[in-house]
Amino acid sequence: SAVISQKPSRDICQRGTSLTIQCQVDSQVTMMFWYRQQPGQSLTLIATANQGSEATYESGFVIDKFPISRPNLTFSTLTVSNMSPEDSSIYLCSVGGELAGYTFGSGTRLTVV
Amino acid sequence: ILNVEQSPQSLHVQEGDSTNFTCSFPSSNFYALHWYRWETAKSPEALFVMTLNGDEKKKGRISATLNTKEGYSYLYIKGSQPEDSATYLCAPHRDDKIIFGKGTRLHILP
Repeated sequence: SAVISQKPSRDICQRGTSLTIQCQVDSQVTMMFWYRQQPGQSLTLIATANQGSEATYESGFVIDKFPISRPNLTFSTLTVSNMSPEDSSIYLCSVGGELAGYTFGSGTRLTVV
Repeated sequence: ILNVEQSPQSLHVQEGDSTNFTCSFPSSNFYALHWYRWETAKSPEALFVMTLNGDEKKKGRISATLNTKEGYSYLYIKGSQPEDSATYLCAPHRDDKIIFGKGTRLHILP
């Protein structure tokens, strides 16, 4: 299965600033997925990132708040923009499929103060 | 909205004891069910992907069963060990995406 390197692993940010999270995969993949887990909540899909096209966002998530880049088949970034304390979460990237299962990055633990 | 329920939310089990917990989900349009183990400070790790009603899968001391007609899956751990302490997530797959439950947080007591 693929190996994903995700960074940063954690950060503490001031409200109103932005943070960009990076994921590097050791193999080429068509789709990459970005998730968020707020405290006490489920792991929730933010968007699906396809190389060469705009990301597809889930209900409740918008591009202005969570812009995503997918410049090639092994790399993607998620930016959390204009952060507020409600954005404090664990953010994860993932690759895989419905029958093979999914592989996740090690996560970014974000605290907004 | 796909409603995925996991119970119990949290569980304390004595080392050496066996345990199980439940995932329930809507049975309509079922495609696959995933189980993941998520240890603190690590990535979620895929345990099982199950697709067939009545399916049972096993990985070491951990096994899972699936009932797609009634919409539930059980995860069993036999002879719990300290390394089993983690959050166990189930995630049914439907409409080209998986939807995670909140998980069962398992604590193994020495």
